[in-house]
Amino acid sequence: QVQLVQSGAEVKRPGASVKVSCMISGSTLTELSIHWVRQGPGNGLEWMGAFDPEDGERIYAQKFQGRVSMTEATSTDTAYMELSSLRSEDTAVYYCATPGRTGSFDIWGQGTTVTVSS
Amino acid sequence: DIQMTQSPSSLSASVGDRVTITCRASQYISAYLSWYQQKPGKAPKLLIYAASSLQNGVPSRFSGSGSGTDFTLTISSLQPEDFATYYCQQSYRSPYTFGQGTKLEIK
Repeated sequence: QVQLVQSGAEVKRPGASVKVSCMISGSTLTELSIHWVRQGPGNGLEWMGAFDPEDGERIYAQKFQGRVSMTEATSTDTAYMELSSLRSEDTAVYYCATPGRTGSFDIWGQGTTVTVSS
Repeated sequence: DIQMTQSPSSLSASVGDRVTITCRASQYISAYLSWYQQKPGKAPKLLIYAASSLQNGVPSRFSGSGSGTDFTLTISSLQPEDFATYYCQQSYRSPYTFGQGTKLEIK
């Protein structure tokens, strides 16, 4: 059974960067496409981007282009999402998720709370 | 980007009621439409994929329909555990946008 386990909560100053990890168990990173979704306080879900191991392509939402980087460490089956130049509006819960054979996000991490505050 | 618009944004209903939530895509998305349920402090849970297919383990009172641009999620007989927020999402084209959510509350 595939599980995604994320790193713990972070508090950052405006202008800093944050790197959130998503460790895979029950499968390997080479077999999964890892997507990142965030949710601001009281807000809806916002898709940020994804890495597809089949073609090695990274796709980022236009909104985050230039500020986000999604990387992987196959040796530890861990995916990372780094967001730079943080501002207060980036305060959110960040989720990793993977589409199963359904093509939809049937497996989610538990979420990582990132707080941006001076 | 493909915009996903849900209606209503909020809904009050009673246990046993039949409830329908609508999701409209700003352009054609075939049947690349999923429905998720989210409870406070929890990750979303997949209910319906490919517009009308029920995810394993999800009660049969949940059903989805539609294709093209117009989709619905129906709960045939509301149970106490169904009060939550529901989101649609398109996976036809990146960015894989979500609707703004429909909060289902107890009347």
